[in-house]
Amino acid sequence: EDQLVESGGGWVQPGGSLRLSCAASGFTFSAYTMNWVRRAPGKGLEWVGKISSSSSSIKYADSVKGRFTISRENDKDSLFLQMKSLRDDDTGLYYCTKEDYYHGMEVWGQGTAVTVSS
Amino acid sequence: DIQMTQSPSIVSASVGDRVSITCRASQSISSWLAWYQEKPGKAPKLLIHKASNLEDGVPSRFSGSGSGTEFTLTINSLQPDDFATYHCQQYSSETRTFGQGTKVEVK
Repeated sequence: EDQLVESGGGWVQPGGSLRLSCAASGFTFSAYTMNWVRRAPGKGLEWVGKISSSSSSIKYADSVKGRFTISRENDKDSLFLQMKSLRDDDTGLYYCTKEDYYHGMEVWGQGTAVTVSS
Repeated sequence: DIQMTQSPSIVSASVGDRVSITCRASQSISSWLAWYQEKPGKAPKLLIHKASNLEDGVPSRFSGSGSGTEFTLTINSLQPDDFATYHCQQYSSETRTFGQGTKVEVK
């Protein structure tokens, strides 16, 4: 069974940094584009960014561009989100997702919570 | 970037009702649209891909239609398990965009 498990969330002060991880299992991780999606309290889902299977293409939402960096280690079936210069409005539940070309985001992790507050 | 506008934001309905949710794209996305169901405390679940294709295991009371810029998710004969929030998402461009979400609540 395809599974994604996020970790690394927590509380951080504005301006701080945090690194999220996502461990994949049950599928050939190196063959898939992966995304980060977040859900702020009381708001809808927001796409954060994506990375292609070989890391050759990485795209970000305008709201995080220049502050967040997505990377992956295919030999360790792992996805990462490095977050810097965090703001209050970065608070939320962060999901990693496996994306299939035709199906869209077909597998989601359970999410890891990030709280940015002074 | 492609913007997705979803409406209504809230639907009040009863078991057995037919519910329709609309999603509009700011430019043509062909059929590159997915619908997700989200319940409190759970990760979103993919229901429909390529605008009208049900994922395995999704009840046939769910259906999707549309292409280009206008799309609809329909739930026929709403069941108790269907009270949730529904999100559309485009995957036509290099970036991805979600609609604002529609909460289906008990009338």
